[in-house]
Amino acid sequence: NAGVMQNPRHLVRRRGQEARLRCSPMKGHSHVYWYRQLPEEGLKFMVYLQKENIIDESGMPKERFSAEFPKEGPSILRIQQVVRGDSAAYFCASSRQMVSGANVLTFGAGSRLTVL
Amino acid sequence: KQEVTQIPAALSVPEGENLVLNCSFTDSAIYNLQWFRQDPGKGLTSLLLIQSSQREQTSGRLNASLDKSSGRSTLYIAASQPGDSATYLCAVSPQTGANNLFFGTGTRLTVIP
Repeated sequence: NAGVMQNPRHLVRRRGQEARLRCSPMKGHSHVYWYRQLPEEGLKFMVYLQKENIIDESGMPKERFSAEFPKEGPSILRIQQVVRGDSAAYFCASSRQMVSGANVLTFGAGSRLTVL
Repeated sequence: KQEVTQIPAALSVPEGENLVLNCSFTDSAIYNLQWFRQDPGKGLTSLLLIQSSQREQTSGRLNASLDKSSGRSTLYIAASQPGDSATYLCAVSPQTGANNLFFGTGTRLTVIP
């Protein structure tokens, strides 16, 4: 039973390029969450998705960032025209369908983006 | 807005010592509180989850307490081992039960053999 799979684990981009980070949730999980951890800072919530739906994107920067979780395939966090400040670890988490209250999240190992 | 603070930022102890990590949060309207462990280059591992109605949870050598009204939680590690060396993160979920967790910046623990 593979956990939450993220790839690539490490990604290097030059300023102005695009970065695509992928996340495959645990088997049986239909909810995906993206968090960002800037150097020397805590993890910050970015977006919460279900299949084909964005539920909460209150933590997403207004520009250049987008996320999707298509009916088939992994969730993708896309960063256009990257800048040095985008360098961070991006963590994906997944959970089962919420029945009541908050579910326990299972986190992936993260994707570390470095912008040169 | 919820703010989560963890003190100390770093801690070194000799093997075998008992230790306490602290977490405080500004908004007591939480649904639950979790303690995670983060190893370098790896993901987060959930250690303990305390519902807002609970006072403490225990797992092996770990014990987490929650004082919701004062906005505080502690993680107690008994008989520390070098394998406990990691960063420990505290996170709270809002009372709505939503999963946008608010994380502290962590305490980096080093257990010296």
